[in-house]
Amino acid sequence: EVQLVESGGDLVQPGGSLRLSCAASGFTFSNYWMHWVRQAPGKGLVWVSRVSSDGSGTNYADSVKDRFTISRDNAKNTLYLQMNSLGAEDTAVYYCARSRADIARSMDVWGQGTTVTVSS
Amino acid sequence: DIQMTQSPSSLSASVGDRVTFTCRASQSISTYLNWYQQKPGKAPKLLIYAASSLQSGVPSRFSGSGSGTDFTLTISSLQPEDFATYYCQQSYSTPRTFGQGTKVEIK
Repeated sequence: EVQLVESGGDLVQPGGSLRLSCAASGFTFSNYWMHWVRQAPGKGLVWVSRVSSDGSGTNYADSVKDRFTISRDNAKNTLYLQMNSLGAEDTAVYYCARSRADIARSMDVWGQGTTVTVSS
Repeated sequence: DIQMTQSPSSLSASVGDRVTFTCRASQSISTYLNWYQQKPGKAPKLLIYAASSLQSGVPSRFSGSGSGTDFTLTISSLQPEDFATYYCQQSYSTPRTFGQGTKVEIK
């Protein structure tokens, strides 16, 4: 079964750091670009970042640039999101998603999400 | 950045109704337009990719159309399990952007 499972979400104080993980299974992880997408409580979906299949290329939303770092370990089939200098505006459910070049670069597989709460 | 605007923000409909909602891009995105369905507390699910292609396993009552800047998602006969929020998303350029969503509620 193709699956993505996020972990690492937690309650963190403003200014703190957190690392999210996304474990992939059921497919050849190293063949796919991967994304992080977040959703603040009661709000819509917001794209956060993406990484190329080999990890050499990354992109970020302006709102997280210079604070968040996306990376991957293809040997461990795991995607990461290192989040620093967290603020209340980063409170959200964070989803990892697989992107497929052959279907218009859409996100065809999503994890269940992990919750990050930034509060003192 | 490409802005995606969905309308309406919400709509009320009955089981069996035909419903259509729209998504407009701030610049041409060819057919790099995808539709997702999200139910409360769940992850989004891909319904339509490349504006009009049905994702595997998605019922045929869902259909998409459009190109350039204007797109539509149609549900031909609304079923109880279709009450959810629908998002469009462009995959033409980075940053990827989503519309604000259309919530389909029971009338």
